Amino acid sequence: DQQVKQNSPSLSVQEGRISILNCDYTNSMFDYFLWYKKYPAEGPTFLISISSIKDKNEDGRFTVFLNKSAKHLSLHIVPSQPGDSAVYFCAARGPGGTSYGKLTFGQGTILTVHP
Amino acid sequence: AAGVIQSPRHLIKEKRETATLKCYPIPRHDTVYWYQQGPGQDPQFLISFYEKMQSDKGSIPDRFSAQQFSDYHSELNMSSLELGDSALYFCASSSGQTNTEAFFGQGTRLTVV
Repeated sequence: DQQVKQNSPSLSVQEGRISILNCDYTNSMFDYFLWYKKYPAEGPTFLISISSIKDKNEDGRFTVFLNKSAKHLSLHIVPSQPGDSAVYFCAARGPGGTSYGKLTFGQGTILTVHP
Repeated sequence: AAGVIQSPRHLIKEKRETATLKCYPIPRHDTVYWYQQGPGQDPQFLISFYEKMQSDKGSIPDRFSAQQFSDYHSELNMSSLELGDSALYFCASSSGQTNTEAFFGQGTRLTVV
């Protein structure tokens, strides 16, 4: 039962354009969503997060949008740079319990930014 | 800034052997999480500890055990290794259970032959 889904295994974008990575979730009890970037043979690196009580969070070139009614979030990267090429994981925190940091990950999307 | 340190980075073991993976969290972080990422798969939560007590348990096999020590480092012990245990094992740490960001180590690649 995949509670966090990234339906696009890969995305290819031209340098300078916008990259939009999508993520859907099924569990309405998730209270926090995070995006991680991962290079091969390295651990995931935290990028940006959003609380379930917000619908937008922006940090430099990265913006995350949350649509709770649709159980959908997206990560926008503007402008995209070749160094952004990596695997991007969407993750959701919760629900509840004794370990709020427990994350459920999506399958990841491979982003390739062409010069 | 200090990050999460995992050792060893690479480990090769034979079937039925035992392996111990270590994780040193970011200083002053009291919560540690273990994740397993198989080839082509997303990271799967195994187990977590807060203040040296197990706080949550995911899809961790009974052959695996873990603990967090007084200095907050954690060890994942894996016995009777199987070929299917070959994976990247990530440790993450955070400050407090409700902190929103978990910082990951570079992982230990375990290969079981």
